[in-house]
Amino acid sequence: QLLESGGGLVQPGGSQRLSCAASGFTFSNYAMSWVRQAPGKGLEWVSGISRSGVHTYSVDSVTDRFTISRDNSKNTLYLQMNSLRADDTAVYYCAKHFGEDYYHSCMDVWGKGTTVTVSS
Amino acid sequence: DIQMTQSPSSLSASVGDRVTITCRASHDIYNYLAWYQQKPGKVPKVLIYAASTLQSGVPSRFSGSGSGTDFTLTITSLRPEDVATYYCQHHNNAPPTFGQGTKVEIK
Repeated sequence: QLLESGGGLVQPGGSQRLSCAASGFTFSNYAMSWVRQAPGKGLEWVSGISRSGVHTYSVDSVTDRFTISRDNSKNTLYLQMNSLRADDTAVYYCAKHFGEDYYHSCMDVWGKGTTVTVSS
Repeated sequence: DIQMTQSPSSLSASVGDRVTITCRASHDIYNYLAWYQQKPGKVPKVLIYAASTLQSGVPSRFSGSGSGTDFTLTITSLRPEDVATYYCQHHNNAPPTFGQGTKVEIK
């Protein structure tokens, strides 16, 4: 099970940190990702992190603003979002991968999502 | 980045119909393709991975095929509970991009 938190209303240019608490599986064995969905739009994979946390990747539109990290001792995934823009408004899902990397395995467990709204 | 293109964008079919959705990758992704189902207001759920492997618990009326750049999701006999948007996603390299989605409705 995955439970996201940290969403809310934030002003343009502001920061927000999302968390995702994992339970029911050995968190440190699996890669994790953040996927977002803007209102009425499709799914967009945002960032991924390997099981160890050493390897990360983010899409170009967020790579210099968002940072994905994990604390395997706390079974928690994070997404630090800085310099937020209106087009970052979305539901952010935390997702577990089948395997230990985020680019050679798909996502088999998803959280319910947390909504981030960027607006003044 | 690898681009994923789905067709059609939407379709309307009758209960019991055979439904086919296609997904084309801009580069060879071998069989690194997954299909997800997202029902209205719900969380996405993986149906198929590695192009043709059915996820545990997914009804057998769903099937996937293809390799390289061209892939297909088939629902052999459409049921009302299959109303959803379906997404393909490659998992060949980073970033693992999604297709734009195909919305399936009942006629």
